Amino acid sequence: DQQVKQNSPSLSVQEGRISILNCDYTNSMFDYFLWYKKYPAEGPTFLISISSIKDKNEDGRFTVFLNKSAKHLSLHIVPSQPGDSAVYFCAASVTGTYKYIFGTGTRLKVLA
Amino acid sequence: KAGVTQTPRYLIKTRGQQVTLSCSPISGHRSVSWYQQTPGQGLQFLFEYFSETQRNKGNFPGRFSGRQFSNSRSEMNVSTLELGDSALYLCASTFGGGSGETQYFGPGTRLLVL
Repeated sequence: DQQVKQNSPSLSVQEGRISILNCDYTNSMFDYFLWYKKYPAEGPTFLISISSIKDKNEDGRFTVFLNKSAKHLSLHIVPSQPGDSAVYFCAASVTGTYKYIFGTGTRLKVLA
Repeated sequence: KAGVTQTPRYLIKTRGQQVTLSCSPISGHRSVSWYQQTPGQGLQFLFEYFSETQRNKGNFPGRFSGRQFSNSRSEMNVSTLELGDSALYLCASTFGGGSGETQYFGPGTRLLVL
């Protein structure tokens, strides 16, 4: 049972444009969400997070939006840069479980 | 502050053997989680340790086990290796492991089972 889903395995975007990566979840108990970026042969690197009490969080070029009624979150990267090309994972957790559930990842390719 | 370190980085084993992987968390972090990453499966949660106690575990067979030492370093062991165990094994650390904390990952150990 995949509780966190990233339905787009890959995405290509032109440099300078917006990249939108999507993530859906099924467990309404999730109360904390994170996005990670992963390059080949490296561990995931934390990008940005959001608590379920918020619907938006920004950090520089990265913004995460949370729609609790739709059980959907998205990561916006503006403007996209070639160095953003990587696999992006969303993750979710429930307070007290000490466990993070990850999606299967979306491979972003930013074209110069 | 040094990041999460994992040893070894690469490992080749044959079916039936066992393997032990090591993880040293960020200094001061007491929670260590382990994940298995395979193509198309994302990161699958194996288990989480805090103060030498396993607090949660994922849906993996008993061949997968772990432990944590008093200095928060952690090891995971896989016995009777199968071809399907070939994967990238990642560990991540946080201060307390609770929701709202960010997990910081090590570079991973790539295991190949022949």
